[in-house]
Amino acid sequence: DIRMTQSPSTLSASVGDRVTITCRASQTISSWLAWFQQKPGKAPRLLIYKASTLQGGVPSRFSGSGSGTEFTLAISSLQPDDFATYYCQQYNSFPWTFGQGTKVDIK
Amino acid sequence: EVQLVESGGGLVKPGGSLRLSCAASGFSFSTYAMNWVRQAPGKGLEWVSFISDRASYYADSVKGRFTISRDNAQNSLFLQMNGLRADDTAVYYCARGGGCTGDTCYYPDRWGQGTLVTVSS
Repeated sequence: DIRMTQSPSTLSASVGDRVTITCRASQTISSWLAWFQQKPGKAPRLLIYKASTLQGGVPSRFSGSGSGTEFTLAISSLQPDDFATYYCQQYNSFPWTFGQGTKVDIK
Repeated sequence: EVQLVESGGGLVKPGGSLRLSCAASGFSFSTYAMNWVRQAPGKGLEWVSFISDRASYYADSVKGRFTISRDNAQNSLFLQMNGLRADDTAVYYCARGGGCTGDTCYYPDRWGQGTLVTVSS
């Protein structure tokens, strides 16, 4: 199975900060990586697919980059609505696997 | 509008069975692969099972105990869960999309709100 490792596990930031989350795959997954945002009690929401393509309706302050085994999610200017947990997920092969999550909370 | 609505969750004793359903609307259900993904309380996301028109796959943790199926005429996805264990306790989400064809792989783009399964005596 492909292991997905996210860092950091928790990130404390302020409104307006630029934040970055890293996701590493244990083997190459080309660009078959998605990023999700999840708020407590809610379903995950797709933000980015194919490593860097923004899903429709997602604010442009979100961006993704990377390929192969190293990926990054960036939020250019953190907004109050962005405090949530973020997951990366590889869909290169089954079993699909997720990172352990990064909780972004208020500093 | 795309909608996925799960149902069928509840409290069940260890060793018991449960059948989850996911009612789909707002898109051509038969043309999409579908998945079940779960999340244990306070934990991360875990993929459970996938079904397309050609294949089905399972996580090792549920293989031999869970069965995924679909009824395209009823726009519905199902998960039959047998031999339930305490570590199957989770919110179960259905999610649209997935699998690879040719040079393209597909991602889970829409998710239902989830249904809670609790396995406890």
